[in-house]
Amino acid sequence: GDSVTQMEGPVTLSEEAFLTINCTYTATGYPSLFWYVQYPGEGLQLLLKATKADDKGSNKGFEATYRKETTSFHLEKGSVQVSDSAVYFCALNTGNQFYFGTGTSLTVIP
Amino acid sequence: GAGVSQSPSNKVTEKGKDVELRCDPISGHTALYWYRQSLGQGLEFLIYFQGNSAPDKSGLPSDRFSAERTGGSVSTLTIQRTQQEDSAVYLCASSVGLAKNNEQFFGPGTRLTVL
Repeated sequence: GDSVTQMEGPVTLSEEAFLTINCTYTATGYPSLFWYVQYPGEGLQLLLKATKADDKGSNKGFEATYRKETTSFHLEKGSVQVSDSAVYFCALNTGNQFYFGTGTSLTVIP
Repeated sequence: GAGVSQSPSNKVTEKGKDVELRCDPISGHTALYWYRQSLGQGLEFLIYFQGNSAPDKSGLPSDRFSAERTGGSVSTLTIQRTQQEDSAVYLCASSVGLAKNNEQFFGPGTRLTVL
């Protein structure tokens, strides 16, 4: 069945470090891919999305590219800030259902 | 203006009692989803509605769980005879429709604690 697998956390980085959170997916169709973020004490919100192969989603300095050949949608940021500390969820939408990964907790220390 | 709202924000109940959780989606959103988020776990999909119809109820953990949606708007998730393992944050989300490009907008969740 369809599913999302993302890198286990927790991840701890120093401010200004480079971030990669890996996400791979399995889907029978041609889904759209999303990254959601949950800041401490807040609800989930969309960070970025990509709807077709080779699309790059970007927001707040974060980027992810839809790679059909490797079935991946890795999240990257060149220089993280303390305010990026949150839990990040990779997700896919087949049109009938959303599938979420288990979430990766990121802590950025000054 | 609103975003997705859920009530109550917190619910503490005794084992064996029934609870009802409510979700008000964004106006005009035809699709509505329920998830469960347990401590340290990801999001567990429970059920979705397109309009008032729930085509797939297989994600509900047991027959103690049920959900309904009326008027294409408000939805309630009911848990009968609650158990301690039902303790979790229950999240509701809505989207403009089921098209795969659509993002989901999440509510703040209801934290359920079963003593």
